Amino acid sequence: GAGVSQSPSNKVTEKGKDVELRCDPISGHTALYWYRQSLGQGLEFLIYFQGNSAPDKSGLPSDRFSAERTGGSVSTLTIQRTQQEDSAVYLCASTRSAGWTSGYEQYFGPGTRLTVT
Amino acid sequence: AQKITQTQPGMFVQEKEAVTLDCTYDTSDQSYGLFWYKQPSSGEMIFLIYQGSYDEQNATEGRYSLNFQKARKSANLVISASQLGDSAMYFCAMRGLDGSSNTGKLIFGQGTTLQVKP
Repeated sequence: GAGVSQSPSNKVTEKGKDVELRCDPISGHTALYWYRQSLGQGLEFLIYFQGNSAPDKSGLPSDRFSAERTGGSVSTLTIQRTQQEDSAVYLCASTRSAGWTSGYEQYFGPGTRLTVT
Repeated sequence: AQKITQTQPGMFVQEKEAVTLDCTYDTSDQSYGLFWYKQPSSGEMIFLIYQGSYDEQNATEGRYSLNFQKARKSANLVISASQLGDSAMYFCAMRGLDGSSNTGKLIFGQGTTLQVKP
């Protein structure tokens, strides 16, 4: 079946502009994660959605970052007033269950490469 | 706090030989999961192998095996019979309880770049 998809694959934006990144998880996966991969910081957790529960936003680096997940499926990560340090690859992942006792691996999308000029 | 350490920024291995990529972790959780992911130059993250903290046997998946030493808090990845296509970045990751949170989020190491020589 289809994997996790993300769009756009690449985004170049000017400093101060807002950007929206989209993630389509695997059908039936209840848990969705956003991560950021940058040269200086490696892979960092940003935010987590599980069903209708309140999201875990503990990884968001500032209040310029926000995310939504509509209808328990598609998610959008929004970065307002982008800064150069926001340049990174933004990865989305989904899994059947977030239960820590399970071995359910997270399936990652191809990522969105964001460049802020 | 949970932490994953990969001390080898880069590794070389001759084609058809075995290679071990190191991973140590730190956690106060009793139950946790350890994962290895491969990231080729194309950028996608590919799941390789999983080890649960209560699993008594080391996990194996084809040419991949995980050398799990719980007392030493290490979860090294062993790739047997290396192939040119194994050249990639490899990430060790851990998932566990995070205080009262049960999000299942992954904590990643810094990664090891593996280059397979023909």
